[in-house]
Amino acid sequence: GAGVSQTPSNKVTEKGKYVELRCDPISGHTALYWYRQSLGQGPEFLIYFQGTGAADDSGLPNDRFFAVRPEGSVSTLKIQRTERGDSAVYLCASKGTGELFFGEGSRLTVL
Amino acid sequence: AQKITQTQPGMFVQEKEAVTLDCTYDTSDQSYGLFWYKQPSSGEMIFLIYQGSYDEQNATEGRYSLNFQKARKSANLVISASQLGDSAMYFCAMSPDSGYSTLTFGKGTMLLVSP
Repeated sequence: GAGVSQTPSNKVTEKGKYVELRCDPISGHTALYWYRQSLGQGPEFLIYFQGTGAADDSGLPNDRFFAVRPEGSVSTLKIQRTERGDSAVYLCASKGTGELFFGEGSRLTVL
Repeated sequence: AQKITQTQPGMFVQEKEAVTLDCTYDTSDQSYGLFWYKQPSSGEMIFLIYQGSYDEQNATEGRYSLNFQKARKSANLVISASQLGDSAMYFCAMSPDSGYSTLTFGKGTMLLVSP
């Protein structure tokens, strides 16, 4: 597609479950970012990929969060043992040589 | 560490009027970038305008202009001739260099444009 695609758009899960959120960046974009946006807040940086490798994962809140980008295109954000505090919109963005382009996010609700 | 402060939770403006959304920032970096994004109810973050810390002239993009006052560490967004479609959340953000790397966002300002 023309833009950054994120799936699922909505995910409801129970506390303690495992979830995966997928991001399909704009074709050819080498940089990919994950952000988390809690209700009433601005997005907060989680992790940045340049190609296949995580160039900066300093924003991941703890070891329950992990992200991969094995072929340098699609990325998956993985959250283990989800907690209610993980409820948020998870935004993905990709970048070529210019500005960041964001997807519409995956809304995660942990019951 | 970088910090962005947006003190206006909400702003109201009438259609065709101009509006200023406030943003102040804090950083120890000499080189940095300042950004404004619009977030409509769909959730997507839409890039509006960029100002590099060494740019001497204020950035403009159509109806958007960035009032950059370096000494005051402010980067206010001015929207001229507001339109109903401008109603959305607006976020100020900064990067630790003059490019588009990792962004730190403020809490946002909700703008409502009335007919």
